[in-house]
Amino acid sequence: GESVGLHLPTLSVQEGDNSIINCAYSNSASDYFIWYKQESGKGPQFIIDIRSNMDKRQGQRVTVLLNKTVKHLSLQIAATQPGDSAVYFCACLNQAGTALIFGKGTTLSVSS
Amino acid sequence: NAGVMQNPRHLVRRRGQEARLRCSPMKGHSHVYWYRQLPEEGLKFMVYLQKENIIDESGMPKERFSAEFPKEGPSILRIQQVVRGDSAAYFCASSPNPRGDSETQYFGPGTRLLVL
Repeated sequence: GESVGLHLPTLSVQEGDNSIINCAYSNSASDYFIWYKQESGKGPQFIIDIRSNMDKRQGQRVTVLLNKTVKHLSLQIAATQPGDSAVYFCACLNQAGTALIFGKGTTLSVSS
Repeated sequence: NAGVMQNPRHLVRRRGQEARLRCSPMKGHSHVYWYRQLPEEGLKFMVYLQKENIIDESGMPKERFSAEFPKEGPSILRIQQVVRGDSAAYFCASSPNPRGDSETQYFGPGTRLLVL
């Protein structure tokens, strides 16, 4: 079946550093990918998304990179701040377009 | 524009009771999704509904769980005869159009169900 996995369960960075969170997916036919941020006790918050016809997309302080050849997705956060501390999930839309398939999440800890 | 709303935020039930979780999608969204999250885990898809129709329920347990999205009112996720293993956070998401240019799913704050 379709699956999504994250490379590292935890990531610790210093304030001001750049953070990179990586994700792998199994279905080469996936055409939509999305990153969410989840703070403790809250729902997932949309960060950025990307379609399979693109390999890079930028937002405010965040960049998503998509490598379809190796089925790899990454989220880059520039100048990481303590407020960025949270669990980050990548997800892809299933082939039927009816559901998001989530990875397990990477916990980002930012120390000042 | 109000986001996705869920209530209650916390729900405590004893084994054997019924749990009803409510979700109001974002204004203008007619597609609703329910996901379940266990501690330290990612979200698992349960069901996808449009107004009055269940589109995909492949993630729903076969027994005790049901969902609806009536023409008027919120979407309801109903769990009958709850067991301790049902304890989890249940999240609702909505989108304007999952197959157009607007597949983004926006999540509510969740309902945390605790079964004693």
